[in-house]
Order: sequence, then C-alpha cells, then structure tokens
Amino acid sequence: GNSVTQMEGPVTLSEEAFLTINCTYTATGYPSLFWYVQYPGEGLQLLLKATKADDKGSNKGFEATYRKETTSFHLEKGSVQVSDSAVYFCALSEIVQGAQKLVFGQGTRLTINP
Amino acid sequence: EAQVTQNPRYLITVTGKKLTVTCSQNMNHEYMSWYRQDPGLGLRQIYYSMNVEVTDKGDVPEGYKVSRKEKRNFPLILESPSPNQTSLYFCASSWTGVGDTQYFGPGTRLTVL
Repeated sequence: GNSVTQMEGPVTLSEEAFLTINCTYTATGYPSLFWYVQYPGEGLQLLLKATKADDKGSNKGFEATYRKETTSFHLEKGSVQVSDSAVYFCALSEIVQGAQKLVFGQGTRLTINP
Repeated sequence: EAQVTQNPRYLITVTGKKLTVTCSQNMNHEYMSWYRQDPGLGLRQIYYSMNVEVTDKGDVPEGYKVSRKEKRNFPLILESPSPNQTSLYFCASSWTGVGDTQYFGPGTRLTVL
C-alpha cells in the first residue's frame, strides 16, 4: 500500500541554520505530495505542495522538489527562525480504485533555539 | 472568516458511553474527512465524504460512524467508545478531494477511560 516515511525527530537547530527534513514515499501511481505544518495547539495547515514530477513547491522560505526517480520530497529551508518551531508532516494523495487516499508520515518535531 | 470548527475541543468519557464530535465548515467545501493523530503514527484517515449523503471508509474506520446530511456538517460518532480510541481527532475539508489543500479544524482531544 501507499506509505510515507519521514526522518526521525525531534530535530533541534539554532536560528539561521540550514534545515532538511527527509521524506520518501511509496505509491502505486502518481500521487500529489504535500508538506503540512502543525503549530502548538493548532490543526495542520498546508505549507507547500507539488502535483507532478520535478515540480518544486515553495512557501515562507521553505522548498521541496518532487523527485520521482528517488521517490522523495525533502523539505529544505536556508535559514530557520524560532517561529519555524512546529511539527512537520509529509503527505501524499492518490485516488486508488475510486477511494480518496491521503497518507501522512509520522511527523517530525522541529525546535529552533535562539 | 473561513474556518473549520470542531466541538468539543476536549472530552473525557468512559468506555461504552456514546459520543458525537461535531465538525462544521463555512467554505462550501464538498469534501470532508476525519483523521486521528497518534504519537509515532502521524494522521490516519477514519472516514471521508465526497458530498451530501456520500461517505466512505478511510484506513481506520472500525468503531466509528459518520453522517453527511448537510454540506457544512460532518459529525463523527463513537457508539461505544473504548480506550484504544483515546486520541487527537481532526476534521478537514477541501473543495473536491484529497488532491486539494485540506483545511483542518483545531482538533478534539478525546480520552476514554
């Protein structure tokens, strides 16, 4: 079945450090890929998305490129801020035999220290 | 303000006592869904609905029921809750389905004793 695997957390960085959160997936077809972010005490909100191979999603300084050959969608940011502290979820969506599938990774907790 | 609301936000109950968690969206979205979030497991889809009176099972539907009598509301029903349903629950909606941006509610933390 479809699955999403994220790097284990928690991840702790200093402000202005470079961030990478790895995400790989398995899917039967050609899914859309997403990164969602969850700030403390809140629901998830979309950070960025990509719908086909080689697409790059970007938002708020974060980027991720849909790599079909390596089945990956790694999240990167060049210089993190304290306000980026949150839990990040990689997800894929696919329609399988008419069923709407949205599969999430386990989440990666990111803490940025001043 | 465009939003998804859930009630209650926190609930502690006992095994076997029927409960309903409400979910409402004001964006006229056709697609709505329920997820549970458990440590180390991410979010898992419980049920979803493509439109009024159209619902389907997600990955973990056992022990849950849903209904979609109106476009804006999608309640989650636990007819006989058990301790393994202790979790953080999220409702989400989008225009047409999982390929669209999902708008999440704030979550309902449920504890079943």
